[in-house]
Formats: sequence, structure tokens, C-alpha cells
Amino acid sequence: GENVEQHPSTLSVQEGDSAVIKCTYSDSASNYFPWYKQELGKGPQLIIDIRSNVGEKKDQRIAVTLNKTAKHFSLHITETQPEDSAVYFCAASWAGGYQKVTFGTGTKLQVIP
Amino acid sequence: NAGVMQNPRHLVRRRGQEARLRCSPVKGHSHVYWYRQLPEEGLKFMVYLQKENIIDESGMPKERFSAEFPKEGPSILRIQQVVRGDSAAYFCASSPESGAHYGYTFGSGTRLTVV
Repeated sequence: GENVEQHPSTLSVQEGDSAVIKCTYSDSASNYFPWYKQELGKGPQLIIDIRSNVGEKKDQRIAVTLNKTAKHFSLHITETQPEDSAVYFCAASWAGGYQKVTFGTGTKLQVIP
Repeated sequence: NAGVMQNPRHLVRRRGQEARLRCSPVKGHSHVYWYRQLPEEGLKFMVYLQKENIIDESGMPKERFSAEFPKEGPSILRIQQVVRGDSAAYFCASSPESGAHYGYTFGSGTRLTVV
């Protein structure tokens, strides 16, 4: 089955700096890679996703990159703000039908004002 | 436009009791997924259901755990004879079609504590 590894497990950045979270996956059939943000006491919320026919996708301060050959993808948050503090999860699945989503172990991001 | 509703938010059970967790999906969503999250860990898939059918239960323990999604009413995750190791946050997600690429909407979870 699919295995997703995520690094780092914790990340502290100064407000205004950039944050990068990296993930690797094992199943070359995976072609859909969502990222979720989980705030304290809440459920995960989809913030951005990328499919394997695209190498990069950007949405305001958030961007994801994908390297299919190396089987890794990354989340980039620029100009971080205190409200970006949360746990971020990467995940991998297959967009050709049903396949259970495999999540990474999460990165706890702290943005220091 | 209510999202995924899970209740209760917090549930305390003594060892050996039964726990029933409820999940009402987004209106119009007929696909429900249950995940378990242990402290400081990621989300582990448990089961995927469509109305009246279990599609994938490969992540759910064979004993003590069961799930249903009846034609009417919420999806139910049932844990019988709970043990301390069942203490976790249980999240439900729904989607309009089968597969995460249609967009998972998660509920706020049920935090189960077994004492």
C-alpha cells in the first residue's frame, strides 16, 4: 500500500518568513496530492491540492510543488502570519476513482509574532 | 449549508462499555469516510461507506468495531467493549462522489476517552 512520509514534524518561523513542508510517497500510481490544515480542536480542512499532470500550483500565499520522478511534493507558505499556526498534513491518493487517502504524520507549524 | 456534523464532540466511556459515534455528512453527499487520529499522529483510514453499503473496511479492526450508513439518518461508528487503546479522536469526512479528488469535507471530530 501507499506510504507517505512528512518532514519536519515541527517547524517554527518568524512572522513574515517562509515555511516549507516536504513529503514523499511510495506508490507511483498515486496522482492526487491534497494538503490539509488542522487547527486546534477542529477537523482537517483542505487548503490546496495538486494532480500529477501539474508540477506546481499556487493560491495566494500558498504553493505546492510536485516531483513525480523523485516521488516528493512540498507545501510552501510565504509571508507567514500567526493565523497560519496549525498542523499541516500532506496526503496521497489516486484521482481515477476510489482509493483511500493516505496521510502523512503532520507538521506542527508555529508562526512567532 | 451545514458542513459535516459529528456528535458527540467528547465522549467518555469506561472500559467494557460501548461507544457510538455519529456523523451527518454534507447535505447531498452520499460518501462517508471514517478516520482515527491518535495524539501527535496522523489520520489513519478506517472505513468508507456509501448509503447502505460498506465499500472499504480495510482499516477497521475486525473485532469490536462496526460501521453503518443507513438509507435514512447519520453514519454510525460503533465500538463495543472499549479498551484504553481506543482513546483517540475520530473524524468523519464526506464527499459528493467517490474519491478524495472530489473534495473531502471533515467534521470536527469526536474525542473518545476510555477510563
